[in-house]
Amino acid sequence: AQKVTQAQTEISVVEKEDVTLDCVYETRDTTYYLFWYKQPPSGELVFLIRRNSFDEQNEISGRYSWNFQKSTSSFNFTITASQVVDSAVYFCALSSNSGGYQKVTFGTGTKLQVIP
Amino acid sequence: DVKVTQSSRYLVKRTGEKVFLECVQDMDHENMFWYRQDPGLGLRLIYFSYDVKMKEKGDIPEGYSVSREKKERFSLILESASTNQTSMYLCASSWGTDNEKLFFGSGTQLSVL
Repeated sequence: AQKVTQAQTEISVVEKEDVTLDCVYETRDTTYYLFWYKQPPSGELVFLIRRNSFDEQNEISGRYSWNFQKSTSSFNFTITASQVVDSAVYFCALSSNSGGYQKVTFGTGTKLQVIP
Repeated sequence: DVKVTQSSRYLVKRTGEKVFLECVQDMDHENMFWYRQDPGLGLRLIYFSYDVKMKEKGDIPEGYSVSREKKERFSLILESASTNQTSMYLCASSWGTDNEKLFFGSGTQLSVL
């Protein structure tokens, strides 16, 4: 069975502060993929990033960066210089197809509020 | 632009009713998923399908069934709705077998009275 844990339920930061969202996962598969999705107040989840289990390089995209550490089974997400538009619920997810088909498990989400 | 469409944004049903939630994708995706989203519980997988007429149970399939007669359409069925099935239901789809990203619909907020 696979599991994703996002221990932070809600985080509030003041605009321009940096914030890190934590994600810890469990899986017995050796090949898997990790994702982050953003759910703005409008409700529709939007894809942010996908990483496979063999690629531990950190990634940066503008103000967003991701830190993948296999040794600690973590895939953390940092927003630098946060903005009000970053306010949303962020979900970490784990995907594998050990049974021959894709199964995706989500964490419980972290609600981020950026205060102007 | 790619699209996953859920037939209703809001739905109100009575206990014991049979409820159909419809989801259609226009991307020729093999995989389709139904999740429910509840506060504090995140997204929980109900059922998924990796091909026409194929279905697999997710983590919380009890009280639900699904149907996938055509590749683009994946229906979630509540055989006899109960109040504990009041929730936001999200449909998603993805391409292929290489763990591609999911595309989501806007969700259906179902209230069972």
